[in-house]
Amino acid sequence: QKEVEQDPGPLSVPEGAIVSLNCTYSNSAFQYFMWYRQYSRKGPELLMYTYSSGNKEDGRFTAQVDKSSKYISLFIRDSQPSDSATYLCAMSVNSGGYQKVTFGTGTKLQVIP
Amino acid sequence: DTEVTQTPKHLVMGMTNKKSLKCEQHMGHRAMYWYKQKAKKPPELMFVYSYEKLSINESVPSRFSPECPNSSLLNLHLHALQPEDSALYLCASSQGTGYTFGSGTRLTVV
Repeated sequence: QKEVEQDPGPLSVPEGAIVSLNCTYSNSAFQYFMWYRQYSRKGPELLMYTYSSGNKEDGRFTAQVDKSSKYISLFIRDSQPSDSATYLCAMSVNSGGYQKVTFGTGTKLQVIP
Repeated sequence: DTEVTQTPKHLVMGMTNKKSLKCEQHMGHRAMYWYKQKAKKPPELMFVYSYEKLSINESVPSRFSPECPNSSLLNLHLHALQPEDSALYLCASSQGTGYTFGSGTRLTVV
C-alpha cells in the first residue's frame, strides 16, 4: 500500500463548478498537509498548507483534513479555466531540521469554459 | 522575497558535457532540496541539505553532485549524463511552514 493515494483523474468540469480533490494516507506520523498546483512544464506552486484537522479557507480554495480518517481534500469553488492544472497533495514529517515530504501522484483538472 | 530562483530555465547538454544548475533563496530557509520530475509523475527527491550539510542522498548516481556553498545557495553539478536523465529539475526550500519550489530547470540530454 502506498503511503499516499490520490485519484489520478483526469477530471473535467464546466466553468463555475465546485471541484473536490481527495487524498488518503496511511502514515499516522504525517504532521503537515499541503496542496500544490502545477501548470504544465512549471514548478509546483503551494496553494494551501495546514497541520490540524478541520477546514482552512483561502479565497475560492478550502483545504480539509480529517486525521481520524486519514483523509484530506481540496475544494475549489467557482472553478475557472485558469484552474486547469495538475493538483498534487503532499504530506510531511519534520526530521532533523528538514521536512520529509511524500507526494500523491497528482490529479489533472480541466475546467471547460 | 518569497521565491526560490532557479537558473538556467532550460538546458540542453551532450552526454560528455559538464554543467551546473543553480538555486537561490533569500527567505532564510535552512533546508534545501533537489528533486527530479518526469512527465506526469510527482517530484522525486534526490538530495536534502539541512543547515548546509547533506542530510539525504536518495541513492542518486554519482554523475549528479550537489553542493551547498552557503545557506542561500544550492548547486547541482552534472557530468556524463544519460538521455534518461532528461527531466524537470526542481529546487525547494523549507523552514517550518510550507515548502516552496522554484520553477525548475528543464534539462534535455542529447
